[in-house]
Amino acid sequence: EAQVTQNPRYLITVTGKKLTVTCSQNMNHEYMSWYRQDPGLGLRQIYYSMNVEVTDKGDVPEGYKVSRKEKRNFPLILESPSPNQTSLYFCASSLNSGGFTDTQYFGPGTRLTVL
Amino acid sequence: GQNIDQPTEMTATEGAIVQINCTYQTSGFNGLFWYQQHAGEAPTFLSYNVLDGLEEKGRFSSFLSRSKGYSYLLLKELQMKDSASYLCAVNSNYQLIWGAGTKLIIKP
Repeated sequence: EAQVTQNPRYLITVTGKKLTVTCSQNMNHEYMSWYRQDPGLGLRQIYYSMNVEVTDKGDVPEGYKVSRKEKRNFPLILESPSPNQTSLYFCASSLNSGGFTDTQYFGPGTRLTVL
Repeated sequence: GQNIDQPTEMTATEGAIVQINCTYQTSGFNGLFWYQQHAGEAPTFLSYNVLDGLEEKGRFSSFLSRSKGYSYLLLKELQMKDSASYLCAVNSNYQLIWGAGTKLIIKP
């Protein structure tokens, strides 16, 4: 089944404790992206990747890191999480053209709470 | 700045028709997406408009007027499963700008 998977789905952590949210897609998509979704604000892009070893900042990259060492994986790293990073996170992928004209396929989401 | 406006919430009756509007002010325009998002779930693609006019896909249709910076999503024969948020997103100079979404409540 073609899909985007994320782990964990739910995470409660404490300020300053490094964490990684994994994202993997099995559709051989070139483009991958991370979003956060907060009530009343819509989806905001954190980082995106046009292809392996190519990553760029989105609208709200502060406090986050990513890597794209393989085509299928695009982990999101929070080196020192803070309470303002409490949010619902989505990973998405699309075949090509940077997701701008292609349909994006979203993972199931990761609900992160930072205490 | 770049901005997308959608109503926060709408209510409609099962079996009826509802129109969800989206207006945008962006520095560029290369297309407009509509996505559906059920509570606690991931957004899923509904439609993509790049030219003016109406695109029909089953019970759902999407309209675009580039000169007016306006789009709408039309849902016909509403079903309870259509209760969800509907997200409008504009491709502006190869950056996707997302609206906050419209929560649609369907009543029996």
